[in-house]
Amino acid sequence: DIVMTQSPDSLAVSLGERATINCRSSQSVLYSSNNKNSLAWYQQKPGQPPKLLIYWASTRESGVPARFSGSGSGTDFTLTISSLQAEDVAIYYCQQYYSIPFTFGPGTKVDIK
Amino acid sequence: QVQLQESGPGLVKPSETLSLTCSVSGYSISSGHYWGWIRRPPGKGLEWIVTIYHSGTTYYNPSLKSRVTISVDTSNNQFSLKLSSVTAADTAVYYCARHDSYTSGWTPFDYWGQGTLVTVSS
Repeated sequence: DIVMTQSPDSLAVSLGERATINCRSSQSVLYSSNNKNSLAWYQQKPGQPPKLLIYWASTRESGVPARFSGSGSGTDFTLTISSLQAEDVAIYYCQQYYSIPFTFGPGTKVDIK
Repeated sequence: QVQLQESGPGLVKPSETLSLTCSVSGYSISSGHYWGWIRRPPGKGLEWIVTIYHSGTTYYNPSLKSRVTISVDTSNNQFSLKLSSVTAADTAVYYCARHDSYTSGWTPFDYWGQGTLVTVSS
């Protein structure tokens, strides 16, 4: 199984400031056939299902604000919220869909400082 | 708009079988895509359980495979999960979700149900 880790476990950021979340996979999730990383980011708010934010490591899902961006390749990835808004308070998960079993990171809780 | 909705008992006794159904609207399961179940135990992260295609092709998380059964009912546009011999460790919010597969691999889960809490307790 590909093990996903995230850091930090939680972070508190002032409104309008940058939030950065890291995700690491235990093996590369880069598909050589299409040169894409099978890595997604989800946002989960209390009482709601996870919402897909980013896929292929850096492609924003339709309707996701531009302040969310993803980067990285191979085994190391980053989700950046460029200017934190109050509605961004949530838990953020990374997920690899490179191979079965699909696995998720443990989550990073983002709060307002 | 694709919508998924889980249904089933919220309380299951230990050693019994958990049964959930996911009803899909706004999209025909027979048209394609893959359909899966994911759970989130209280205070823990997300765990993928199983995925099915409308043809009946299935993919399991090896950690749960021996206890999981998934089926699809295309006539009612639903798919179902059964998890046998449950224990307190199976207490979780269970989600159904849609994803896809293509020549280069898989895609992430793009549509999710709201989730249903299943508690295992006597």
